[in-house]
Amino acid sequence: EDQVTQSPEALRLQEGESSSLNCSYTVSGLRGLFWYRQDPGKGPEFLFTLYSAGEEKEKERLKATLTKKESFLHITAPKPEDSATYLCAVQSLMDTGRRALTFGSGTRLQVQP
Amino acid sequence: NAGVTQTPKFQVLKTGQSMTLQCAQDMNHEYMSWYRQDPGMGLRLIHYSVGAGITDQGEVPNGYNVSRSTTEDFPLRLLSAAPSQTSVYFCASSYSLPAGRREKLFFGSGTQLSVL
Repeated sequence: EDQVTQSPEALRLQEGESSSLNCSYTVSGLRGLFWYRQDPGKGPEFLFTLYSAGEEKEKERLKATLTKKESFLHITAPKPEDSATYLCAVQSLMDTGRRALTFGSGTRLQVQP
Repeated sequence: NAGVTQTPKFQVLKTGQSMTLQCAQDMNHEYMSWYRQDPGMGLRLIHYSVGAGITDQGEVPNGYNVSRSTTEDFPLRLLSAAPSQTSVYFCASSYSLPAGRREKLFFGSGTQLSVL
């Protein structure tokens, strides 16, 4: 059974204080790992897709990295507008027709001015 | 483009009542799906569709029905609501890259459902 565990559950940072969010996963062959951002009362919004170990992607203050067992979402010099819940999800190679994602429960990030 | 549109935003039902959650997308995506999100748990797949006339079950399908008569619409029906179905429901759509890789999901803004 595919599993995704995110840590920490919640993180409070001061503006400008860099940190990392962790996503550990077990999957029957990784087809893709996804990061989403979710604001309160809204649906998740896509950030990144990573396909293979060693891959990295960046967008503004966010950088996602991938190893064979985990992914990190690095946040450099965060701003209050980065406050949100960050979700990690995986798609298994065994999943063809369903194209389902297995989601973690998320990390709730709060950036204080 | 409006993206993925869900209605209603909020709904309160009594146990045993039925209702339909609406979902429409204007991006011509062939793949559509329904997820539920519960506190402390990840999003879980309820049903999905890979095209008009084709639907299948996800991880937690019991108590829900779907149909896909058009590319644009994918309604979710609760047959006889139960308190365990209290949740936030998200509709999502996507197109696919070659070799089975998933392109990103586009999510609606969700329906918050309470079953009393």
